[in-house]
Amino acid sequence: EVQLVESGGDLVQPGGSLRLSCVASGFTFGSYSMSWVRQAPGKGLEWVAVVSRDGSEKYYVDSVKGRFTISRDNAKSSLSLQMNSLRAEDTALYYCAKDWGPGEKSFDVWGQGTMVTVSS
Amino acid sequence: DIQMTQSPSTLPASVGDRVTITCRASQTIRSSLAWHQQKPGKAPKLLIYKASNLESGVPSRFSGSGSGTEFTLTISSLHPDDFATYYCQHYRDNSRAFGQGTKVDFK
Repeated sequence: EVQLVESGGDLVQPGGSLRLSCVASGFTFGSYSMSWVRQAPGKGLEWVAVVSRDGSEKYYVDSVKGRFTISRDNAKSSLSLQMNSLRAEDTALYYCAKDWGPGEKSFDVWGQGTMVTVSS
Repeated sequence: DIQMTQSPSTLPASVGDRVTITCRASQTIRSSLAWHQQKPGKAPKLLIYKASNLESGVPSRFSGSGSGTEFTLTISSLHPDDFATYYCQHYRDNSRAFGQGTKVDFK
């Protein structure tokens, strides 16, 4: 079964840091780009970051540039998001999503999400 | 960055209606467009990829069309299970972006 399982969400104070993780199974992880997507409570979907298949290329939405770092470990089929200098507006459910690769699809597999709350 | 604009934001409809949602890209994305369905408390689900390709397991009442900057998602006959929020999403370049969503609710 193709699956993505996120973890690491928590309540954190403004200015704090958090590291999210996502473990993949059921597909050849290293053959696909991977992304993080977030959804603030009651709001729409917002793409956050993407990492290329080999981890050499990383791109971010403007609002997180310089604060968030996406990374991957293909040997462990895992994806991470290091979040620093967190702000209240980063409060959201964070999804890990399988991105572009063979088949030319994007976001065809989603995790269940992990909640990040930034509040004092 | 490429921006995506969906319309309408809310679409009142009834079971059996033909439903059409429009998505516009701020610059050409060729056919690098997906449509996702999201229900409350659930992760999004891919319906359409490459603008018009039906994802495996998705009912044939869903269809997508368009290329360049103008795209459409059509539900030929709305089922009770189709009341949800729909998002378009581009994957043309090194970024991604979603439309703001269209909520299909009961008329």
